[in-house]
Amino acid sequence: AQKVTQAQTEISVVEKEDVTLDCVYETRDTTYYLFWYKQPPSGELVFLIRRNSFDEQNEISGRYSWNFQKSTSSFNFTITASQVVDSAVYFCALSESVQNTGNQFYFGTGTSLTVIP
Amino acid sequence: DSGVTQTPKHLITATGQRVTLRCSPRSGDLSVYWYQQSLDQGLQFLIQYYNGEERAKGNILERFSAQQFPDLHSELNLSSLELGDSALYFCASSVATGGQGYRDTGELFFGEGSRLTVL
Repeated sequence: AQKVTQAQTEISVVEKEDVTLDCVYETRDTTYYLFWYKQPPSGELVFLIRRNSFDEQNEISGRYSWNFQKSTSSFNFTITASQVVDSAVYFCALSESVQNTGNQFYFGTGTSLTVIP
Repeated sequence: DSGVTQTPKHLITATGQRVTLRCSPRSGDLSVYWYQQSLDQGLQFLIQYYNGEERAKGNILERFSAQQFPDLHSELNLSSLELGDSALYFCASSVATGGQGYRDTGELFFGEGSRLTVL
């Protein structure tokens, strides 16, 4: 079973629309981390946010906001007033601590966002 | 700039050949991870090293091998290359507190990737 599920494979929105990228995760750990990464067309992976399992406060950073809900095992990402530069593939990831191994990171399959001008 | 350095950035080679990809983690990071991203695919975890020791293996082919050296840089060796090995190979490093649990506390910092094309 997938530990991180990003059900939306591709999304297209018109510039200035809001868009939410969904992420559902599965873990038995009580302590874990959740992440979002952005991969623009240039290919590099850019870290956006990290959340630990004890902090359910939603976070806002400019046009980006994240909604973490343990009850539904979701960590959704919303871009407000989307811009063309937001066009990228976005990956959600889960990090679990494995004894004597360190953290294991599990990535979703990514959501490709296209913002149409 | 993530602080993770990967070389080469681009590599074109022929089937049957062998290549080595190199990664220098961020200063102080003890964990190194290798990922493969094929065209239109997600990130496939290959292997993880912590302070020179292999810690976890993912979907890494037997034709591939890796190691982490005492200076913490890592190399991924790909041999008997096939067309399907063409991909973007990412190295990532992570802060680890060490200790019994080798617990990483932070996010993965990715290099810019090495794009391998096998012709």
